[in-house]
This record gives sequence, structure tokens and C-alpha cells, in this order.
Amino acid sequence: DAGITQSPRYKITETGRQVTLMCHQTWSHSYMFWYRQDLGHGLRLIYYSAAADITDKGEVPDGYVVSRSKTENFPLTLESATRSQTSVYFCASSRQGANYEQYFGPGTRLTVT
Amino acid sequence: GDSVTQMEGPVTLSEEAFLTINCTYTATGYPSLFWYVQYPGEGLQLLLKATKADDKGSNKGFEATYRKETTSFHLEKGSVQVSDSAVYFCALSDLTGNQFYFGTGTSLTVIP
Repeated sequence: DAGITQSPRYKITETGRQVTLMCHQTWSHSYMFWYRQDLGHGLRLIYYSAAADITDKGEVPDGYVVSRSKTENFPLTLESATRSQTSVYFCASSRQGANYEQYFGPGTRLTVT
Repeated sequence: GDSVTQMEGPVTLSEEAFLTINCTYTATGYPSLFWYVQYPGEGLQLLLKATKADDKGSNKGFEATYRKETTSFHLEKGSVQVSDSAVYFCALSDLTGNQFYFGTGTSLTVIP
């Protein structure tokens, strides 16, 4: 039972480069979410997806792009990374939306130099 | 907009002490309220939830009651253990169930 996985677990990149963080879940959950975790801010929602081909903005979407062509995958792309995007990124999935239990991946620690 | 405010940490307690972590919220209508826990090096896990006023969520000895009159959802445990050391996040989902807001987290360390 793989559950929800993220890759890579650690990434160092330079300012201006494109970076894609991957998220994969094996439960066929409808909803998927991307959060960033920063000291003093807790976790903040970047984007969410209610189903394949349906995505919408969260609290802090600027500088990020998402897609969801398949139910099980929800990649997050930083088109031109900035130092302010240095953070730990968590993917989560849920059967029926944020009102229901969200299952979190192990996180990706991204450093932008 | 909707938001969650929880008490600043870190909190250090001796084993078997009583725990309270305060959480208050601002929201339109009646959101669902949650406590998530993050153990070192891991993702978050749902600890408990409540979906309407006066509901009490409970799990693993932890409890929290949805208080509409004080817009609060304080986390309590009567006797903490070393294994409870973690970061605790209060959170709410809005009326649509799509937007989700976390507090800043409270780090708890329990010493033997």
C-alpha cells in the first residue's frame, strides 16, 4: 500500500530555473492539494484539485502552476524559481474535499539559491 | 477572510502533565475544525475533527470541543506522554470544503 508519495524528497535549484515537484497517490482520491510550510506561517494552500482536469487556486498561488491529467498525479511546477519559494512542500489527498481527512505525503524540501 | 490563530510555542511539559493548546478561528458561517499532528520528519496526520457547534472530537486521549460562542477549538489531553512530542496544527475548512487554513503550529516537547 504505497499511499501518497512525493519526489524528489530534496531539491536544490538556482533562481530562475523551472522545477517540478511530483505527487502520486494510489487511493483514487478525488481531491488533491499542495501546501507550503514555512516557519511562522504554518502550512498554506497553494492549489487544489477536485478531480482530473479541475484545479483551483488556494491562498498563495502566485509563481506556481499545476496540472492534473490523471487522478493519481498532481505535479506542481515553479516556472521561474525565486528564493522566496524556498520551503517544504506537502502534497495531500482526500476522498471528498478538505472537510474530510487529508492524507499527507512526506514532503519535499526545496532550496532556491 | 478565514483564519486560525493558535498559541505560540514551544511548549515543554513533564510526562503525565495536563496539556492545553489554545486555538481560535475567524470564519464565515460554521466551518469544520481540525487538529493535525506532525511528528518529526513526517507529513501531517489528522488527530481529530469537529464539524458543527458543540461537537467534541477525540482521539488517542486528545479532545477538542467546537465552541461557536467563543470561536474556539482548544486541544486538551489529561496526561501527556513522551510519544506525544510533535507539532500540533489547528485548522479549518471553509463552507465550500475546498479552501483550508492552518494555524502556525505549536511545538510540544514532553520530557520524562
